[in-house]
Amino acid sequence: DAGITQSPRHKVTETGTPVTLRCHQTENHRYMYWYRQDPGHGLRLIHYSYGVKDTDKGEVSDGYSVSRSKTEDFLLTLESATSSQTSVYFCAISEMPNVLTFGAGSRLTVL
Amino acid sequence: DAKTTQPPSMDCAEGRAANLPCNHSTISGNEYVYWYRQIHSQGPQYIIHGLKNNETNEMASLIITEDRKSSTLILPHATLRDTAVYYCIVIRDNYGQNFVFGPGTRLSVLP
Repeated sequence: DAGITQSPRHKVTETGTPVTLRCHQTENHRYMYWYRQDPGHGLRLIHYSYGVKDTDKGEVSDGYSVSRSKTEDFLLTLESATSSQTSVYFCAISEMPNVLTFGAGSRLTVL
Repeated sequence: DAKTTQPPSMDCAEGRAANLPCNHSTISGNEYVYWYRQIHSQGPQYIIHGLKNNETNEMASLIITEDRKSSTLILPHATLRDTAVYYCIVIRDNYGQNFVFGPGTRLSVLP
């Protein structure tokens, strides 16, 4: 999607390894979010940020940490990946309440 | 935030109007109705939202009943590219922290 880029788009890793997903925006939006999407569970919020260095937990934050040192970048880190974290991860940004623009997604497979 | 009920699936002929219903009988006065859609393997896309008046934009129209207990998203001339899962979300005016995507309605536009 224009203005929001996720990397990597695909990653395969092994259990116990650290993984970092990056979300980069060029829209200068204040709010950024990380969701995961799994069959049977829909989209679930992991963490969100409401400004540089300001983050908070979402519905399924266990096992994940985030950092936002610049307006444009929001990083999602899995300190020690587990098979249950195999999922598609979506980043989103917003400036208006509840009008989110989503990235293309990052597909993570943990073996 | 109010719970929504949508039919799991619908079909629509190409070129015809697609009318997607959503029930939200427990909606509160300060809750908005938002519609998003997700085309296969892509991130969700914002369509439209409203509080109590009908709304129209370049993508769709939103009709909210006078008692606000239900709404209908109308795609006036459905194309094959409108095949997607459509999510109806009722939420207060905040910044996505409580944005819950339910199972939605899978719309299939048929040639």
